[in-house]
Parts: sequence; C-alpha cells; structure tokens
Amino acid sequence: AQKITQTQPGMFVQEKEAVTLDCTYDTSDQSYGLFWYKQPSSGEMIFLIYQGSYDEQNATEGRYSLNFQKARKSANLVISASQLGDSAMYFCAMREWDFGNEKLTFGTGTRLTIIP
Amino acid sequence: EAGVVQSPRYKIIEKKQPVAFWCNPISGHNTLYWYRQNLGQGPELLIRYENEEAVDDSQLPKDRFSAERLKGVDSTLKIQPAELGDSAVYLCASSSTGTNTEAFFGQGTRLTVV
Repeated sequence: AQKITQTQPGMFVQEKEAVTLDCTYDTSDQSYGLFWYKQPSSGEMIFLIYQGSYDEQNATEGRYSLNFQKARKSANLVISASQLGDSAMYFCAMREWDFGNEKLTFGTGTRLTIIP
Repeated sequence: EAGVVQSPRYKIIEKKQPVAFWCNPISGHNTLYWYRQNLGQGPELLIRYENEEAVDDSQLPKDRFSAERLKGVDSTLKIQPAELGDSAVYLCASSSTGTNTEAFFGQGTRLTVV
C-alpha cells in the first residue's frame, strides 16, 4: 500500500485563485509528521509547511495552510491567492518512526500550473 | 548559513563506468539522507545516516551502490558500474534531530547514463 497518495498528477489554476492539493496518508503510528515541499523546474526541494499528528490547529505559513483531517488521514495543502511563481511540482511527505528508525516518505507529486 | 551543497550538478557517463556524488550537509545536522528521484516521480530513499552510522539502507542496491559518511559530516554516494536505469536526479538532504524538523535538500545531481 502507498504510504502517501497524491491523486492529482496535474492542476491548472487561474492566477489569484485559491488552490487545494490533495494528500492522503497511511500509517498505524500515533506520532508522525506531515510535510509539503515545492520543487520548481530548477530542481531544489523547498520546505513549505509542517503538521504534527498531535497538533490540534491546522498549520499556516503565509499563503500556505494545511487542512489536516486526522480521522480521514488527509493533509491537503491550500494555497491562497495563487501567483505565477507558484507553478511547480508539490510533494506531500510523511515522517514516521519504526522501532526508533525514522522514515521520510514522499508522494508522487502534483504539478501545479498557474495561468495568467 | 549555507544550505546543503551537492556536487556535481550534472554528470553524463557511459554505462558500466563508475560515478560518485558528494554532499555537504548543513552544519550541525546529524541526519543525512540520499534520495533518488526518477523523472515525474517523488524522491525515494536510498540511505539514511544518523551521524556516521547508516541506519536505513534497505532500499540501497548494494550490488552496485555504496555510500559513506566519514566523521559524520560529508557523504559520498557511489555507483559502480552504472546502468542505463540509474539515470535520475540524486538528492541529498539533512535535518537536525527532532520530531518536527524539516529536511533541507540540496539542488541534486542529475545523472545521465548513456
């Protein structure tokens, strides 16, 4: 079974609109962390936002927010007021611990294209 | 503060040749990861180090891949011999210890095997 599932291979969004990128995860751990990364065409992975499994509030970082629904095991990224520079690949990732060993697993990504 | 530094940025080699990648993590970061990212895919973990110890190398193809992290700082990843299917971007990342610490990535090495 996939640990991280991103069902949207690609999305096109009009500039200034909000966009939601979906992410569902699979774990039996009680303690885990969820991350979103942005990967522009230049290739570097840029950290956007983090949500801990015990955090009751949804994480927010500027225009980014994470819609965390623990019971549904979903951690969707919301980008408000999208900009042309938001065009990139977006990866959801989960950090979990297995007998003291840490694992950081990535989804397959969503390619977001912002249309002027 | 300098980020994660990788070299080279690009490498083109013929199949069956050896190749090595180098990574310098962020100062003070105990955890170092090597990931492989195929075109259109997410990064897949090859090996993770805690200081100088390889604590997870279950996904590393040990017949041709090797890695080391001497003194718990810099790391090298080697492929010998390279195969056509090894063409990918190899990403190095580092993080400090803690549950909510993000991993910082280098710019990667794009390997093309011809």
